[in-house]
Amino acid sequence: DAGVIQSPRHEVTEMGQEVTLRCKPISGHNSLFWYRQTMMRGLELLIYFNNNVPIDDSGMPEDRFSAKMPNASFSTLKIQPSEPRDSAVYFCASSRTGGNSPLHFGNGTRLTVT
Amino acid sequence: KQEVTQIPAALSVPEGENLVLNCSFTDSAIYNLQWFRQDPGKGLTSLLLIQSSQREQTSGRLNASLDKSSGRSTLYIAASQPGDSATYLCAVNTNAGKSTFGDGTTLTVKP
Repeated sequence: DAGVIQSPRHEVTEMGQEVTLRCKPISGHNSLFWYRQTMMRGLELLIYFNNNVPIDDSGMPEDRFSAKMPNASFSTLKIQPSEPRDSAVYFCASSRTGGNSPLHFGNGTRLTVT
Repeated sequence: KQEVTQIPAALSVPEGENLVLNCSFTDSAIYNLQWFRQDPGKGLTSLLLIQSSQREQTSGRLNASLDKSSGRSTLYIAASQPGDSATYLCAVNTNAGKSTFGDGTTLTVKP
């Protein structure tokens, strides 16, 4: 079990640039979550998917943010254009839907927008 | 809207002490509650998950309890060690799939 894999680990970009974060969930997990963590706001749920379908995107801060899950083993979170206030650690997590399956987190992508 | 509070925000204890971390939530209609550990610069590691029908779960030196009616959970750590130093977060699931996290308790265990 390789765990949830996120890339890149660190991303430094200039304001206005497009940023794409990637996530590979644990095989067999059919729920996928994108979180953002900052000192000010803690851990916030941005969006989650069930069976590759977005279920709740109410946490996505603005239209600049978009997420896709084209298949069961890959998801992206895109920010276009990026702004300094987007600087945070972005986490992807996965679990099995139903029952009481624990959430498993990746190691996160630390994004810095200058 | 579910709100999750963790007290204290930070805790420092000498090695060997037993300690309790607290988590409270406002909506008792929960699906499950999960405790995590986060080390600096790392993701969250799942420690224990308590289903809404359960009262407690144990794993090694860790014991988590759940009292749904009062909206509380505790994480008990026995015989603390310096390696236990980390931030501990609780997450409440009010429907299958959507978790609300507390801000965490940062624990320091001094040798």
